[in-house]
Amino acid sequence: SYVLTQPPSVSVAPGKTARITCGGNNIGSKSVHWYQQKPGQAPVLVIYYDSDRPSGIPERFSGSNSGNTATLTISRVEAGDEADYYCQVWDSSSDHPLVFGGGTKLTVL
Amino acid sequence: QVQLQESGPGLVKPSETLSLTCAVSGYSISSGYYWGWIRQPPGKGLEWIGSIYHSGSTYYNPSLKSRVTISVDTSKNQFSLKLSSVTAADTAVYYCARSSAGQLFSYWGQGTLVTVSS
Repeated sequence: SYVLTQPPSVSVAPGKTARITCGGNNIGSKSVHWYQQKPGQAPVLVIYYDSDRPSGIPERFSGSNSGNTATLTISRVEAGDEADYYCQVWDSSSDHPLVFGGGTKLTVL
Repeated sequence: QVQLQESGPGLVKPSETLSLTCAVSGYSISSGYYWGWIRQPPGKGLEWIGSIYHSGSTYYNPSLKSRVTISVDTSKNQFSLKLSSVTAADTAVYYCARSSAGQLFSYWGQGTLVTVSS
């Protein structure tokens, strides 16, 4: 089955840029979605189809996807961005069509 | 505003069947979209269980497929999850969610904790 690899943790100072990666074999050929999950809450979609932002998500959140790595970038990081972030792909032709990455804990220093 | 709400027993005995229902408001299930179940063991990541299209077509996580049934009841505007032969490893927060054809989950329920224990 398809495996998505995320770093367990990323730390960043307030006001700086955080980059969270999601690795997968030829992931650039797939559509990647990203979710933010704060403690005790349901996940929230923050980026879909690699780089689109749902309404209500700040422009500070952006995404890219190429080759074997997709990246979620959070600019001008705020304390409220501290959360777990998950990438997700869908491949209807796969025997395991929907996969989540293991998640990355973003810590704002 | 689309809202989803999970309901069901919070405690299930080992070897029994876990049954949850997701009530949908603000949108008619029969109008379209996919409806899915995702779970999260305590302190761990998200795991997709399966999804159902409004017409009844289903996709399941192959690692759970032999034990999972997802169904939809358009008359009640709800969909359900049944997971058989549960063990302690099935203890998790279970979420229901709505997804598009691209399987991006844009609406989620608040989640319900199901503990498997005797």
